[in-house]
Amino acid sequence: KQEVTQIPAALSVPEGENLVLNCSFTDSAIYNLQWFRQDPGKGLTSLLLIQSSQREQTSGRLNASLDKSSGRSTLYIAASQPGDSATYLCAVQASYDKVIFGPGTSLSVIP
Amino acid sequence: DTEVTQTPKHLVMGMTNKKSLKCEQHMGHRAMYWYKQKAKKPPELMFVYSYEKLSINESVPSRFSPECPNSSLLNLHLHALQPEDSALYLCASSNGLAGGQGTGELFFGEGSRLTVL
Repeated sequence: KQEVTQIPAALSVPEGENLVLNCSFTDSAIYNLQWFRQDPGKGLTSLLLIQSSQREQTSGRLNASLDKSSGRSTLYIAASQPGDSATYLCAVQASYDKVIFGPGTSLSVIP
Repeated sequence: DTEVTQTPKHLVMGMTNKKSLKCEQHMGHRAMYWYKQKAKKPPELMFVYSYEKLSINESVPSRFSPECPNSSLLNLHLHALQPEDSALYLCASSNGLAGGQGTGELFFGEGSRLTVL
């Protein structure tokens, strides 16, 4: 059974710092991995999608990497801003239609 | 347009009521999902429809009844709910992985906040 974990559970950093969020999954047989952002009480916003054949994806200040063999993905956020404060979730597509989420990392960027 | 629209945004219902949550997407996606999210927890998969047919039911109690009237619409019918069913209900859609053409990227709506009294 696929399980997804995220470290750390919570993170507080001063504005301007670069930071890394970690995601691990137990079964390397995945179709893709997706990173989301969720603001309190809101829906999920897709940030980056990495296909199983890809190693990384970039969008603006965000860079996500994928190492399927070790069951790991990282989300790198450069030059963090207070507006980046949110919960970040990773999700793996473990079978044809099944997407499983990690517990999330709550990020707070202090001005 | 990458929008998934959910209505209502908020719903309060008693345990004997019957109500429905609605979800709509116009991206031509073939897969639509219902997730349940409790406070400070990740979304939990409930149901998946693929090409308008139920493909995944994660052992959800029968008081939750999904329906997919057409490829753009997804409903979740609610009846005889319990207070512990209070949560944020999220709808998502995906172009899936059919024939290697889709990326499987999920797009979410803003959710329906359900309170059961």
